[in-house]
Amino acid sequence: EDKVVQSPLSLVVHEGDTVTLNCSYEVTNFRSLLWYKQEKKAPTFPFMLTSSGIEKKSGRLSSILDKKELFSILNITATQTGDSAVYLCAVEYGAGSYQLTFGKGTKLSVIP
Amino acid sequence: KAGVTQTPRYLIKTRGQQVTLSCSPISGHRSVSWYQQTPGQGLQFLFEYFSETQRNKGNFPGRFSGRQFSNSRSEMNVSTLELGDSALYLCASSRDAYSYEQYFGPGTRLTVT
Repeated sequence: EDKVVQSPLSLVVHEGDTVTLNCSYEVTNFRSLLWYKQEKKAPTFPFMLTSSGIEKKSGRLSSILDKKELFSILNITATQTGDSAVYLCAVEYGAGSYQLTFGKGTKLSVIP
Repeated sequence: KAGVTQTPRYLIKTRGQQVTLSCSPISGHRSVSWYQQTPGQGLQFLFEYFSETQRNKGNFPGRFSGRQFSNSRSEMNVSTLELGDSALYLCASSRDAYSYEQYFGPGTRLTVT
């Protein structure tokens, strides 16, 4: 059973649009949720939401974490073609030693 | 500062063989994590090493193992390869354990025939 579910699976938008990516999770002993951007091969690390954090911003990217409803959203405003990538959501959970599980990702395509 | 390097970049093996992949972290980074990425399962956490000790392990069979050396370089070994092991194997390094400010290497593309 999938512990981390992302939606939509893919998304095509025009430059300048605002997009919202969704990530829901169901784990025990949640610790943190992370969003990654993967272009070509290696993911990068945009920012992390800790268990005590709610909203974070990094330029045109912002995200919120709702620990009660067990989901996070990633917003990208004024999209650019360089934002085209697969966006991965990952959840860290566990007591003592931890597990890290990823969603399948949302493929975002930004067209001029 | 040089990034994370992984060798080899591409590898073709046959079923039943074993394989060793290598990862050199960024200088000064002591934590190395390994991931497997496939189209069907996405990105999955294999294990993390810090100061030559395995700190965390994902849900993979015992055929997958790893180790870390005193210079923080890490190797991952897969024995008795199966077709389903074909994947992109990514290594990521961070300065400390429990730090998700990770820097990923380019990956090793393993194909099992």
